[in-house]
Amino acid sequence: DAGITQSPRHKVTETGTPVTLRCHQTENHRYMYWYRQDPGHGLRLIHYSYGVKDTDKGEVSDGYSVSRSKTEDFLLTLESATSSQTSVYFCAISKGSSYNEQFFGPGTRLTVL
Amino acid sequence: GENVEQHPSTLSVQEGDSAVIKCTYSDSASNYFPWYKQELGKRPQLIIDIRSNVGEKKDQRIAVTLNKTAKHFSLHITETQPEDSAVYFCAASKERTDKLIFGTGTRLQVFP
Repeated sequence: DAGITQSPRHKVTETGTPVTLRCHQTENHRYMYWYRQDPGHGLRLIHYSYGVKDTDKGEVSDGYSVSRSKTEDFLLTLESATSSQTSVYFCAISKGSSYNEQFFGPGTRLTVL
Repeated sequence: GENVEQHPSTLSVQEGDSAVIKCTYSDSASNYFPWYKQELGKRPQLIIDIRSNVGEKKDQRIAVTLNKTAKHFSLHITETQPEDSAVYFCAASKERTDKLIFGTGTRLQVFP
């Protein structure tokens, strides 16, 4: 499982509330990613990080922010959750070889009511 | 930017038959093509990948082929078994870039 954990694994929240999801890795990998998975859309990149305090946007970044203050932790924040952000969120890491082999965490199922 | 299309979206086969899933990509500079398998309620798992310097790669019952001229690559599963039932995703990436671009997935059902 490449030493990746996500917390919480399930969360139900209400529209307008802030939500933070945590991804934690134990193997000191440089690259970390946040994806959302929705039926019919596959895996879509939200944000990613290539080092401490170095982050960049993916294809569906609106409404999300990230932070990486330590190599092992990558946080995804929904500042004001909306129902359209109901999804399964996966964190991934890349081992930083020449090719972008990515390994995924167990996922967080988020429901916004 | 890169775009990856995947077909079919669903595929049903009888146990023991072969299954083929196809993906096309748009960026001719892409040179890394992984395949992920995702069982219901689980995380995507890397099952095989291919790099642009080879045309085919095999691992037991699964194989991936790459046609760089046509910009498409395919996953082949032979002698399918019920435990092969899952959603399969293809993806593409350029060397030394940060991102994978995923296809939309194929739900494979293998009937006993």
